[in-house]
Amino acid sequence: NAGVMQNPRHLVRRRGQEARLRCSPVKGHSHVYWYRQLPEEGLKFMVYLQKENIIDESGMPKERFSAEFPKEGPSILRIQQVVRGDSAAYFCASSPPRGSPGSTDTQYFGPGTRLTVL
Amino acid sequence: AQTVTQSQPEMSVQEAETVTLSCTYDTSENNYYLFWYKQPPSRQMILVIRQEAYKQQNATENRFSVNFQKAAKSFSLKISDSQLGDTAMYFCAFPAWDAGNMLTFGGGTRLMVKP
Repeated sequence: NAGVMQNPRHLVRRRGQEARLRCSPVKGHSHVYWYRQLPEEGLKFMVYLQKENIIDESGMPKERFSAEFPKEGPSILRIQQVVRGDSAAYFCASSPPRGSPGSTDTQYFGPGTRLTVL
Repeated sequence: AQTVTQSQPEMSVQEAETVTLSCTYDTSENNYYLFWYKQPPSRQMILVIRQEAYKQQNATENRFSVNFQKAAKSFSLKISDSQLGDTAMYFCAFPAWDAGNMLTFGGGTRLMVKP
């Protein structure tokens, strides 16, 4: 049983470049969440997606950040024109639909992608 | 808005002893889950234990147990027989039950288990 997978694990970008972070949820999970963790801080919610839909993006900066979860393939978090302040660990979590058998609202996390902007 | 507060930024405990990490939260919801996650130096977020608010009984997972006080909105984690591998950041987390279930995390407690 594969857990949540994220790649790359480490990503280095220069200011102004684009960063693309990928997340493959647990098989059968249709809910994906992205969180950001700045150094020495807790995780902060960014965006919540279901297949082909953005449900809540209230935690995501309005500019330069976008997310998608296509019908086929992984969820993508895209950061355009990165700045040094984007340096952080980005975590993806997935959960099954609420009300599905055995569902306990638990989110299972991937290993994270550590983005460093030079 | 929901808030989750962990008032102990750092704690230490001797190996084999017991330690309790505190967490308080604020919500107007009545039915919900609460979670403790562990983040070791590898940075992986690992679920430690889960509590259902409508259950009277405190959750237990091996050496880990919670003291859940719903009226006081308190959700502390007790680690018994501490092991060196328990050294990690510990985060209390609360989902937004009626708003997509996204988690609000506390600021974390850094636990050091000393040999």
